[in-house]
Amino acid sequence: ELKVEQNPLFLSMQEGKNYTIYCNYSTTSDRLYWYRQDPGKSLESLFVLLSNGAVKQEGRLMASLDTKARLSTLHITAAVHDLSATYFCAVDTAAGNKLTFGGGTRVLVKP
Amino acid sequence: EAGVAQSPRYKIIEKRQSVAFWCNPISGHATLYWYQQILGQGPKLLIQFQNNGVVDDSQLPKDRFSAERLKGVDSTLKIQPAKLEDSAVYLCASSLTGRGSGYTFGSGTRLTVV
Repeated sequence: ELKVEQNPLFLSMQEGKNYTIYCNYSTTSDRLYWYRQDPGKSLESLFVLLSNGAVKQEGRLMASLDTKARLSTLHITAAVHDLSATYFCAVDTAAGNKLTFGGGTRVLVKP
Repeated sequence: EAGVAQSPRYKIIEKRQSVAFWCNPISGHATLYWYQQILGQGPKLLIQFQNNGVVDDSQLPKDRFSAERLKGVDSTLKIQPAKLEDSAVYLCASSLTGRGSGYTFGSGTRLTVV
């Protein structure tokens, strides 16, 4: 059974500082997704990482994928209040054709 | 392109009552998913359809949950009878051909069982 684990579960950030969220998964996969969810809202797609070594960046967020280590990271540069949300990683396996989600990382950026 | 439509947005019912949720996926998307998201957790897949056939319902509590996707377009998810632990957000998602084509999520239905 595929397991996806994120850490930390909660991240209190100071504005202007850098932070990293980690996503580990238990079986072979080469497709990893990052989503953002605001309170009471649905899931907003941030990144799709399709191969080993993939790196994508959008604004203050950068995601990378290491399929050999079964690890993805979401790096936040110079955090700002608008980035407060819950971030989920999800893995899509060749056999399953469906997403398995991590437990989420709740991010709170304080001024 | 219209998104994934879900209704109702909110529903409050008493335990042992029944409830149904509706989902209309993006036009042309063959694969449809229902996820359950309990507060503070990540979404968990309940059922996956490919056109009007079930691909995976291994995590669907079949004694109380049922789902159908008639004509391979919209879908309904039903709970009967509801339990307190069914309180959650039910998210519908669709995908064009599945893996690799991306997944689009609806706004969800927030169910509270009292």
